[in-house]
Amino acid sequence: AQSVTQLDSQVPVFEEAPVELRCNYSSSVSVYLFWYVQYPNQGLQLLLKYLSGSTLVKGINGFEAEFNKSQTSFHLRKPSVHISDTAEYFCAVSSYNQGGKLIFGQGTELSVKP
Amino acid sequence: NAGVMQNPRHLVRRRGQEARLRCSPMKGHSHVYWYRQLPEEGLKFMVYLQKENIIDESGMPKERFSAEFPKEGPSILRIQQVVRGDSAAYFCASSPNRGSDEQYFGPGTRLTVT
Repeated sequence: AQSVTQLDSQVPVFEEAPVELRCNYSSSVSVYLFWYVQYPNQGLQLLLKYLSGSTLVKGINGFEAEFNKSQTSFHLRKPSVHISDTAEYFCAVSSYNQGGKLIFGQGTELSVKP
Repeated sequence: NAGVMQNPRHLVRRRGQEARLRCSPMKGHSHVYWYRQLPEEGLKFMVYLQKENIIDESGMPKERFSAEFPKEGPSILRIQQVVRGDSAAYFCASSPNRGSDEQYFGPGTRLTVT
């Protein structure tokens, strides 16, 4: 079975400060890893994904994440946040032999203050 | 190239009524996933369908819920005899292949049971 743990339910941060949203996963098979963003009352938008290869993945809106196999982590980072980054962020895993269904973490609410 | 479409966007039902949620995948996509987002919870996988087949329904409640994806037309998630606990946002996602490395999400249907 696969599971995802997002270690922080809420992360308040000031504008232009750096931020890290933490994600750990567990799986007995190889997985794909994703970060999605959800703005209020909207669907999910893919920020970035790790499939294989380079462990540092760059995504949209200046976000990046690093896959760490030994620590089973996939933390999301941004060096300088904007007010518009305020949203809920979900880490997720999937695997081919599970049909590709996504297993999500509980979400982290990022709140950027001026 | 239209994205994943869901309708209605908002649905209000009284207890005991039926709810039908529709999902039209992206053009060329024959795989559909349904997820549910309950208040204060993350997204949970419900069911995975391919045209005319249910591939994985391990996340579906055992009673009152059903899903289909006919050869022609949208995928339908049907909830019979709704109860207040069914109030949630229901999202569908589509992908072109089984176990694809990316799913594209619709805007969701927000179901309110009064």
